[in-house]
Amino acid sequence: GQNIDQPTEMTATEGAIVQINCTYQTSGFNGLFWYQQHAGEAPTFLSYNVLDGLEEKGRFSSFLSRSKGYSYLLLKELQMKDSASYLCAVNRDDKIIFGKGTRLHILP
Amino acid sequence: GEEVAQTPKHLVRGEGQKAKLYCAPIKGHSYVFWYQQVLKNEFKFLISFQNENVFDETGMPKERFSAKCLPNSPCSLEIQATKLEDSAVYFCASSQFTGVGNEQFFGPGTRLTVL
Repeated sequence: GQNIDQPTEMTATEGAIVQINCTYQTSGFNGLFWYQQHAGEAPTFLSYNVLDGLEEKGRFSSFLSRSKGYSYLLLKELQMKDSASYLCAVNRDDKIIFGKGTRLHILP
Repeated sequence: GEEVAQTPKHLVRGEGQKAKLYCAPIKGHSYVFWYQQVLKNEFKFLISFQNENVFDETGMPKERFSAKCLPNSPCSLEIQATKLEDSAVYFCASSQFTGVGNEQFFGPGTRLTVL
């Protein structure tokens, strides 16, 4: 089976840094995605980690530890437009299994 | 096209009626995926296709849901005899490859409301 856990909601301040954690238990793990979804819109791709370690892409970074079944998404220099849901998703046997998402609120 | 297209944007059906949703994947993408998202929460995988062949249908409720991807036509997801709990946003996604590194591009979704 598979379990993907991430916090339901988080709040952070504009200009600050926030880390969204994701833990998973699954067989047939191929990699881990992070997607951003604004209310009423389709998810958009942020990152895909296959190997352990940190991958940086502008203000966003994603980390993976396969042995611990753990990932995080790090958002720096937060902007109001970063208010969205962030979905952790596992690539398992060519199928993507999504977590329930973390709704991030940014305060001015 | 350069984007995944889904029609209609909104669909309202009375309980027991049929609903049919359409998806045109990005040109050149061989894989199509259907997901159901209820109340802005968890995505539920329904079915995937490799071209016109079913790739994985482990998420499909077999009794009332069916899907097709025929050559030179948009893919479709059909729900016979809709129920209230079918109310959700149905997202279609496509990818060029599968396996390691497949990035799925999502369409804008079809919001189905069953009354």
